[in-house]
Amino acid sequence: DGGITQSPKYLFRKEGQNVTLSCEQNLNHDAMYWYRQDPGQGLRLIYYSQIVNDFQKGDIAEGYSVSREKKESFPLTVTSAQKNPTAFYLCASRDRVAYEQYFGPGTRLTVT
Amino acid sequence: QQQVKQSPQSLIVQKGGISIINCAYENTAFDYFPWYQQFPGKGPALLIAIRPDVSEKKEGRFTISFNKSAKQFSLHIMDSQPGDSATYFCAARTGSHQKVTFGTGTKLQVIP
Repeated sequence: DGGITQSPKYLFRKEGQNVTLSCEQNLNHDAMYWYRQDPGQGLRLIYYSQIVNDFQKGDIAEGYSVSREKKESFPLTVTSAQKNPTAFYLCASRDRVAYEQYFGPGTRLTVT
Repeated sequence: QQQVKQSPQSLIVQKGGISIINCAYENTAFDYFPWYQQFPGKGPALLIAIRPDVSEKKEGRFTISFNKSAKQFSLHIMDSQPGDSATYFCAARTGSHQKVTFGTGTKLQVIP
């Protein structure tokens, strides 16, 4: 059963703590993405990776970090430097033929 | 900055009616325009997409109309159903470019 998994679905953290969001795909896609979704603002790109051990900043990378040690995995760390981390985070991967992006179910992060 | 402007922000339609969501873009290099459907608490899923060499594409009750000269495209949902209630995002991409630019989303509610 192919797809993208994100865990956990809900995550709660205290302000000042770093937190890592998981994203795993078994679609054999090379490219993976992290987006942040806030009400009324659509999807904003945080980071993306085209291949293993390589990644690029998106439009709102400040306060976030990523790694891409395996093709299947693209974890996102929300650091304490992110001023407003509470949001819905979406991971996606892209197929190499039609270049379509496929999204995971998302992780809702709440920082208090 | 590349932008895709989407309207309206929210839309209420009666069951059986036509839902219309509009998008406008600035970058003439965009050559692929997908629409995504997102249900609450879920990730977006590709609904329908169009390339600018055609003026209309229809898949079931969903139709994209494309006006290249006006740099506008729209999604029409015919015979709208309560199950269509979701947030819809238009988007645009340049060829095989890694990045997709998303509109801000339209929350559609179809009432019985």
